[in-house]
Amino acid sequence: NAGVTQTPKFQVLKTGQSMTLQCAQDMNHEYMSWYRQDPGMGLRLIHYSVGAGITDQGEVPNGYNVSRSTTEDFPLRLLSAAPSQTSVYFCASAPRGKMNTEAFFGQGTRLTVV
Amino acid sequence: AQSVSQHNHHVILSEAASLELGCNYSYGGTVNLFWYVQYPGQHLQLLLKYFSGDPLVKGIKGFEAEFIKSKFSFNLRKPSVQWSDTAEYFCASHTGANNLFFGTGTRLTVIP
Repeated sequence: NAGVTQTPKFQVLKTGQSMTLQCAQDMNHEYMSWYRQDPGMGLRLIHYSVGAGITDQGEVPNGYNVSRSTTEDFPLRLLSAAPSQTSVYFCASAPRGKMNTEAFFGQGTRLTVV
Repeated sequence: AQSVSQHNHHVILSEAASLELGCNYSYGGTVNLFWYVQYPGQHLQLLLKYFSGDPLVKGIKGFEAEFIKSKFSFNLRKPSVQWSDTAEYFCASHTGANNLFFGTGTRLTVIP
């Protein structure tokens, strides 16, 4: 059981480049979300999804797009990377309506935008 | 609005010292509370959680936390820390919606 898998683990982008951070889970969880972790600011929610075909904005959605075409995958897209998006990104999943049980986190993607 | 505050940004302790990390939440209704730990280079792992019932909850690795509703607090404690407890600790809250709200984290450094 792989849990939540994020790829890549590390990435360096130039300002203006685009890329997609991948997140996949094999636990059949309906709920998936993306957080960014910055020093002194904890984890902030970017986007989340409560099921295939449904996405919504979190606390800091600007500059990021998401889609949820399958239950397993929840990619995060940066259309035009900016230095302010340098961060560590975590994907999380949980059974629907059960975020209060436990959220499973991926190992993170460390993104640097230069 | 829901929020979580962690006032200790960096705590340095010697091995065998006792630990208490503060966490306060702002939501006035029913709330679920969590402590997560992030060891260096790793993802977040659940330490313990509180939903209802006994306000003193015990988690993994000897950690415990006490929910005090009157103080809106959920402080994390461990009687005797080890070098392997060096990590970052996050308090989080969850209400009716599906999202976790995290505090800013407390970095714990344990000196052998």
